[in-house]
Amino acid sequence: KAGVTQTPRYLIKTRGQQVTLSCSPISGHRSVSWYQQTPGQGLQFLFEYFSETQRNKGNFPGRFSGRQFSNSRSEMNVSTLELGDSALYLCASSGGGGTREKLFFGSGTQLSVL
Amino acid sequence: AQSVSQHNHHVILSEAASLELGCNYSYGGTVNLFWYVQYPGQHLQLLLKYFSGDPLVKGIKGFEAEFIKSKFSFNLRKPSVQWSDTAEYFCAVTTNSGYSTLTFGKGTMLLVSP
Repeated sequence: KAGVTQTPRYLIKTRGQQVTLSCSPISGHRSVSWYQQTPGQGLQFLFEYFSETQRNKGNFPGRFSGRQFSNSRSEMNVSTLELGDSALYLCASSGGGGTREKLFFGSGTQLSVL
Repeated sequence: AQSVSQHNHHVILSEAASLELGCNYSYGGTVNLFWYVQYPGQHLQLLLKYFSGDPLVKGIKGFEAEFIKSKFSFNLRKPSVQWSDTAEYFCAVTTNSGYSTLTFGKGTMLLVSP
């Protein structure tokens, strides 16, 4: 069974640009969550999608958005990039998104904003 | 909302030393507790979890954690660490209210010297 796949693996952008990151969950998983990982802040929750609906949202500005498609694949978009958006963006999937479910993480997309 | 604090950002141990990583959470209700580990170059993976019952839980690779409700703690332990335990360890919590999302601590980087 293939794991969670995130593309691209690395991304370099300049301030003001926008970026789209992609996540393919484990087959059969319907919940996809996104996290931002930085050395100082650890993992911070961005949002969670379940069956194409955003079910939870973290405390990030509106520049961060996402969506989920009918095949459960998810995309995350960041508009008007700022230097502080440089981070590792992790995607995680689970079957139903229950509070006791194990999350399966992808390897992440390393975003550098110059 | 729940939060998690991990006491040590960096821990350095020699092989065969005993390990205890502290984790405290803040939430007044029922919680589900997790430890995730991120080995160098690998994705985050579940080490162990606690939902209810015996407060001492055992995970993979000889790790265990003890839930002490009165102290709001869920410390991770291992009697004898190995060089291969070098990794970053994250404590995390969900609650049983609604669609609670996984909230992580900032992580503890463990370096085991051979």
